[in-house]
Amino acid sequence: NAGVTQTPKFRILKIGQSMTLQCAQDMNHNYMYWYRQDPGMGLKLIYYSVGAGITDKGEVPNGYNVSRSTTEDFPLRLELAAPSQTSVYFCASSRTGVSPLHFGNGTRLTVT
Amino acid sequence: AQKITQTQPGMFVQEKEAVTLDCTYDTSDPSYGLFWYKQPSSGEMIFLIYQGSYDQQNATEGRYSLNFQKARKSANLVISASQLGDSAMYFCAMREGPGGTSYGKLTFGQGTILTVHP
Repeated sequence: NAGVTQTPKFRILKIGQSMTLQCAQDMNHNYMYWYRQDPGMGLKLIYYSVGAGITDKGEVPNGYNVSRSTTEDFPLRLELAAPSQTSVYFCASSRTGVSPLHFGNGTRLTVT
Repeated sequence: AQKITQTQPGMFVQEKEAVTLDCTYDTSDPSYGLFWYKQPSSGEMIFLIYQGSYDQQNATEGRYSLNFQKARKSANLVISASQLGDSAMYFCAMREGPGGTSYGKLTFGQGTILTVHP
């Protein structure tokens, strides 16, 4: 049982490049989330989804886009990467709106 | 205003002793949930314990307990009999509102780094 799988684990981008962070869960959870964690800080919500085809913005959505075409996958797209997007990105899922979140192991992204 | 406040950037505890990590929260919604997560140096986020706003009893999970004081809006994590493996960053988080409207979104505090000394 893999849980929440994120790829890649590490990535270095140049300013202005684009990339997609992949997230997949095998628990049939409807709710999925993307958070970012800046050094020494807590996590901040970027986007979330309550089911296939339904997404909404979180606290810090600027510079990112998401899609949810299936229950399992919730990719995060970075367009025109900026140094301010250097962070660790966590994907999470939950079974219901009151269940604990299950997190992936994170993607460490550096933009230089 | 901060929704979740963790005032202790770092805490130290001797192995086998108990330690309390502080968390205060701010919400006007009567329905909410409070979570604690552990983040070891390896980086993953591990769920520890949950307390619902309507729960009558303080939550406990093994060596973890949550000291929930609703009137003071505090939800402190108590770790009993600390072990070296407890050294990590600990985050308090809140779901504000019932699940049907909050959609499970969590707001996190800035974390407390706990170091357990042998």
